[in-house]
Amino acid sequence: EVQLVESGGVLVQPGGSLRLSCAASGFTFSNYWMSWVRQAPGKGLEWVANIKQDGSEKYYVDSVKGRFTISRDNAKNSLYLQMNSLRAEDTAVYYCARDRIVGVSYSFDYWGQGTLVTVSS
Amino acid sequence: DIQMTQSPSSLSASVGDRVTITCRASQSISSYLNWYQQKPGKDPKLLIYAASSLQSGVPSRFSGSGSGTDFTLTISSLQPEDFATYYCQQSYRTPFTFGPGTKVDIK
Repeated sequence: EVQLVESGGVLVQPGGSLRLSCAASGFTFSNYWMSWVRQAPGKGLEWVANIKQDGSEKYYVDSVKGRFTISRDNAKNSLYLQMNSLRAEDTAVYYCARDRIVGVSYSFDYWGQGTLVTVSS
Repeated sequence: DIQMTQSPSSLSASVGDRVTITCRASQSISSYLNWYQQKPGKDPKLLIYAASSLQSGVPSRFSGSGSGTDFTLTISSLQPEDFATYYCQQSYRTPFTFGPGTKVDIK
């Protein structure tokens, strides 16, 4: 059974830093692109970043470029999101998602339960 | 960035109703369009990928159509467990973007 379990979400002050983790199991982690997707309270979904299987390619939404870094450790079946210079607008539930590529189709087929990051003084 | 819009933003329907949700992209995205269902407090669930392909395990009452800029998600006969928020998402290019969502609730 595919499982994605996020951790690391806490209350942090504006300007602070935080690292989120996502532990993957039930599939060959090193075979998949992975993404972070966030959802502000009461709002819609926003894709944040993704990373290639070997970590050689990473893409970000403009609002987090230069502040967030996605990384992975295939030996530990883990995905990470280092978040620096946090702002109030980064407050959200952060989901880890498995990227599924079938032919030319790209989607998010498994999601974790999410971890809440609150940025507030 | 590619902007995604959805209509309606919410709708009320009864069990057994046929429901159609529309999604529009700000530019052509071919068939790079996915649909997700999200229930309150839960993670999203993939329903449809590549505009019209049903994800494994998803009931056949869900269907998707469209290409280019205009897409639809149809629920042929609404069931109690289908009351949720539905999001479209383009995977044509990064940043991947989602529509604002359509909330389906009970009439």
